Amino acid sequence: LAKTTQPISMDSYEGQEVNITCSHNNIATNDYITWYQQFPSQGPRFIIQGYKTKVTNEVASLFIPADRKSSTLSLPRVSLSDTAVYYCLVGEMDSSYKLIFGSGTRLLVRP
Amino acid sequence: DTAVSQTPKYLVTQMGNDKSIKCEQNLGHDTMYWYKQDSKKFLKIMFSYNNKELIINETVPNRFSPKSPDKAHLNLHINSLELGDSAVYFCASSQVGAGGNTEAFFGQGTRLTVV
Repeated sequence: LAKTTQPISMDSYEGQEVNITCSHNNIATNDYITWYQQFPSQGPRFIIQGYKTKVTNEVASLFIPADRKSSTLSLPRVSLSDTAVYYCLVGEMDSSYKLIFGSGTRLLVRP
Repeated sequence: DTAVSQTPKYLVTQMGNDKSIKCEQNLGHDTMYWYKQDSKKFLKIMFSYNNKELIINETVPNRFSPKSPDKAHLNLHINSLELGDSAVYFCASSQVGAGGNTEAFFGQGTRLTVV
C-alpha cells in the first residue's frame, strides 16, 4: 500500500483558504486518494475522494496532478469549526479491506 | 439514525478483566472494521470483516477476539486487559467493491481505560 506524507500541523485564520498537500510517490494505478477529517472525541469522517484531476463537493476540493504522486485538499474560507486532524489515505478502494491512516495534519483555525 | 453505533462510549476497568465492545451498522455494508487510536492519536487497523468472515488481522494479540454474528454487527472482546490496551477503539463500516466513491463510516468510539 502506498505510504503518505503530510505536514504534521498547519495554522490558519478564519475566512482563509487552506491547502493541505499529501505526498504519495508510490501510488499504484488502481489506488484512489481519500481524505478524512477527525474532530476531537469523534471518529474520522469522509471528506472527499478522487482518482485524478479535480474533484469538488460542498465541503472541499481535491486537486490531483497528472502524475498522481501528490494531492492537495483545499478548504475554502475555513471557520473555527474546521479545526481538526485531516488524514490523507491512498488505496485500492474498490477491493481493499484495509484503510491505512497516516499521522494526519492537525489544522488549527484561529479567530 | 446513527449509521455506526458503538457501546459503551466509555469503559473503565481493572487490569486482568475481560470486556466487550459492541458495534452495529445500519447501512447494509458488507465490510466492518475495528481501529485502535492510542494516546499519540495514531489510528491503527486491528481487524476487518467482510460478510462475517475475517479478512484482516493486523498482528493483534490473541487476547482480542472479534466476533461477527451477522454482517451488521462486529463485536470486540478483550481478555485479560492490560494497561497498554487503554485507547479509543473505533468501529467502522464500508461497502468494498461498490466501485467509485467508497467511503467508510466510523462510530463515535469507545474510550477504554484500564487501571
